[in-house]
Amino acid sequence: NAGVTQTPKFQVLKTGQSMTLQCAQDMNHNSMYWYRQDPGMGLRLIYYSASEGTTDKGEVPNGYNVSRLNKREFSLRLESAAPSQTSVYFCASSERGRNEQFFGPGTRLTVL
Amino acid sequence: KQEVTQIPAALSVPEGENLVLNCSFTDSAIYNLQWFRQDPGKGLTSLLLIQSSQREQTSGRLNASLDKSSGRSTLYIAASQPGDSATYLCAVWGNYGQNFVFGPGTRLSVLP
Repeated sequence: NAGVTQTPKFQVLKTGQSMTLQCAQDMNHNSMYWYRQDPGMGLRLIYYSASEGTTDKGEVPNGYNVSRLNKREFSLRLESAAPSQTSVYFCASSERGRNEQFFGPGTRLTVL
Repeated sequence: KQEVTQIPAALSVPEGENLVLNCSFTDSAIYNLQWFRQDPGKGLTSLLLIQSSQREQTSGRLNASLDKSSGRSTLYIAASQPGDSATYLCAVWGNYGQNFVFGPGTRLSVLP
């Protein structure tokens, strides 16, 4: 099993460009999450999907949109990238909320 | 609002030493607590998950304890090795929460 996979691993954008970060899990988990990790700020939740067909805002949702494409896939979209969105983005999944979370390897995004 | 702190921020020990990492949380009404390790440039790896009804969990050389009433958890690492060098994070799921709240992490260096 690959666990949680993320693409791309690295990305550089110019201010105003858009992009979609992809996440997939092969553990048949119901819940999926998007976090960003910044020095001095720790891990912060952007959006989550408690189950297929549902999405909810986390702590820092502004500037992002998500799509739970199916049970396996959960994507994060930046419509108009800003330098403040330079960060490392992690996707995670769990069988259900409150259960053990498993993380992907992350996407390092730089917005110039 | 739940807040999670970890002290110390960084720790350096000689190989073979037993050590304890600390995690504190402000709201004792938690469902569970999870410990992770993160290697530089990598994602988070789940180490142990403790349910609120449990006092401790063990995996190999790792032992995590939980004292809900005092808002504390400790991660004990026995006979430390250079391969244990990483950042260790704890995360708490509150009884009324929708996601894990993460601490800032403790960066551990085990010197050969």
